[in-house]
Amino acid sequence: GENVEQHPSTLSVQEGDSAVIKCTYSDSASNYFPWYKQELGKRPQLIIDIRSNVGEKKDQRIAVTLNKTAKHFSLHITETQPEDSAVYFCAASRGQGGSEKLVFGKGTKLTVNP
Amino acid sequence: GAVVSQHPSWVICKSGTSVKIECRSLDFQATTMFWYRQFPKQSLMLMATSNEGSKATYEQGVEKDKFLINHASLTLSTLTVTSAHPEDSSFYICSARGLRGNQPQHFGDGTRLSIL
Repeated sequence: GENVEQHPSTLSVQEGDSAVIKCTYSDSASNYFPWYKQELGKRPQLIIDIRSNVGEKKDQRIAVTLNKTAKHFSLHITETQPEDSAVYFCAASRGQGGSEKLVFGKGTKLTVNP
Repeated sequence: GAVVSQHPSWVICKSGTSVKIECRSLDFQATTMFWYRQFPKQSLMLMATSNEGSKATYEQGVEKDKFLINHASLTLSTLTVTSAHPEDSSFYICSARGLRGNQPQHFGDGTRLSIL
């Protein structure tokens, strides 16, 4: 089955700096890769996603890149703010739009220091 | 749009009690809902995939008779933890996906279950 590895497990940056979180996946049939942000005790919220026919996607300060050949994808957050502090999860799925089950990475706790 | 409501948000009950958790898609219809379990500071582990009108598909190691799932309509799925014990204490989260293709999963607020 699919296995998703996520690094680093914790990341601390200064406000205004960039943060990068990386994930690798094992199933070459996976074609949908969402990123979720989860604040303590709250629901995971979809922040950005990418499908396998796209190499990069950007939404304001957030971007995701995908390398299908190497089977890895990354989340980039620029100009970080304290409210970006949370746990971020990457995931992979065979179904477009997450129609099939999502396999999650172990998460990255991001702390943005003011 | 794409709001998923989960109820209750917090349950504390005695060992041996059965607990039912509801997951509702409020503004869209969902043929598929997913149930996850999350331990403190850990990732989301899929328990089962719930399809409207059919039996749920359970992940390996998840007891079907322990965690009963019912998906009776396009907007409601329920998870019943039967004869709960302290080791069942956890954060349970559902997600739902819309009918149309290429729809992402949207998560409920989760239910924190504490078994005494």
